[in-house]
Amino acid sequence: QVQLVQSGAEVKKPGASVKVSCKASGYTFINYNIHWVRQAPGQGLEWMAKINPSGVISNYAHKFQGRVTMTRDTSTSTVYMELRSLRSEDTAVYYCAREVAGPGGDWLDPWGQGSLVTVSS
Amino acid sequence: QPVLTQPPSSSASPGESARLTCALPSDIDVDDYNIYWYQQKPGSPPTYLLYYFSDSDKGQGSGVPSRFSGSKDASANTGILLISGLQSEDEADYYCMIWPANAPVVFGGGTKLTVL
Repeated sequence: QVQLVQSGAEVKKPGASVKVSCKASGYTFINYNIHWVRQAPGQGLEWMAKINPSGVISNYAHKFQGRVTMTRDTSTSTVYMELRSLRSEDTAVYYCAREVAGPGGDWLDPWGQGSLVTVSS
Repeated sequence: QPVLTQPPSSSASPGESARLTCALPSDIDVDDYNIYWYQQKPGSPPTYLLYYFSDSDKGQGSGVPSRFSGSKDASANTGILLISGLQSEDEADYYCMIWPANAPVVFGGGTKLTVL
């Protein structure tokens, strides 16, 4: 079955960087875009960016401009999201999700299990 | 970037219907957008439920029961998720989403649905 498995929880200090991985299985990796969405504790969903099959970020939320890098390794069907210059408000669960293109629209399905990133001094 | 407004909470009894709303800002027209809905249970990632553009252009997620349906209220510039025949397992957070062309994806703030 289609599955996205993410890396484990991380604890980082302010100013550091974190790199979260998302390993895909059960489908042809290069045929689907991957999105990243985060959720701060007790808060809603916040979309960050997406990466397309060519490894190019096609659009992203402006608030992450300059701080986020997304890459993909087709040999291992894995996407990586690196967030730099971490601050306490970056504490959140980070999700990857596959973009599915249907006849009438594009949605996110499935989602990875989430990776908790805690930023604390 | 538009802001989608969802009521923070809603409640209904088992067997009843729940109508969850997602209001778009006045500068964009709900009739121009697919409205996507996601369900999130505590400790789990969101799951895709459905999208709604019109009665002739809509789609249900794989395995999503037909008692989950979408609609729009153009007069209120609002997308609607209707859950009929509520069950205890429907208790969850529900998020709406739109995806403007060549622009970032936008989520609503979410509605916590309590099944009384």
